[in-house]
Amino acid sequence: AQSVTQLGSHVSVSEGALVLLRCNYSSSVPPYLFWYVQYPNQGLQLLLKYTSAATLVKGINGFEAEFKKSETSFHLTKPSAHMSDAAEYFCAALSYTGANSKLTFGKGITLSVRP
Amino acid sequence: GAVVSQHPSRVICKSGTSVKIECRSLDFQATTMFWYRQFPKQSLMLMATSNEGSKATYEQGVEKDKFLINHASLTLSTLTVTSAHPEDSSFYICSARPRGTYEQYFGPGTRLTVT
Repeated sequence: AQSVTQLGSHVSVSEGALVLLRCNYSSSVPPYLFWYVQYPNQGLQLLLKYTSAATLVKGINGFEAEFKKSETSFHLTKPSAHMSDAAEYFCAALSYTGANSKLTFGKGITLSVRP
Repeated sequence: GAVVSQHPSRVICKSGTSVKIECRSLDFQATTMFWYRQFPKQSLMLMATSNEGSKATYEQGVEKDKFLINHASLTLSTLTVTSAHPEDSSFYICSARPRGTYEQYFGPGTRLTVT
């Protein structure tokens, strides 16, 4: 079964610093991969997705992620953190795109941004 | 486009009563809808998958008689928490998938508090 690993539960960076949130997947077949952001008491907003096209994916709010098959990773980065980036971030994988496909989520990671 | 709404956004009910949460796809037809539960500081846990016009498929460990799901139309799915108890207090999030796609669009969530 597919699994998604997000190491750590909390990342704290200074405003303007690099943001790096790690995500690893377990499947031997590269799945579709997603990063979502969740602000308090809100639903999930899609930041970006990998669907087997370009390995470097750019998303909203200046975020990007690079798919590395050799490392089974899909880490999320942003060159310069903003206070508004403070939120919960979830990595998710979709093993296949058939009718019964389901997203597998990582446990999430909280990003704090220090002034 | 691809907006999903949930109603209510917050609900407080007494123990033993039932609560219905609605999930609507506002600008697309959703052949499949998903219901998730999220505990504080935790990831989303898939409860069930519902396809329009058929019975929902529940994940292991989810009581189908307690969490009634009805996907009566291509734009509406409902989750009814029957005989709610304080341990049912949680954040419930739905998502909807348009016909022929793999994308899921998430609702804003419903905060249920059972007193």
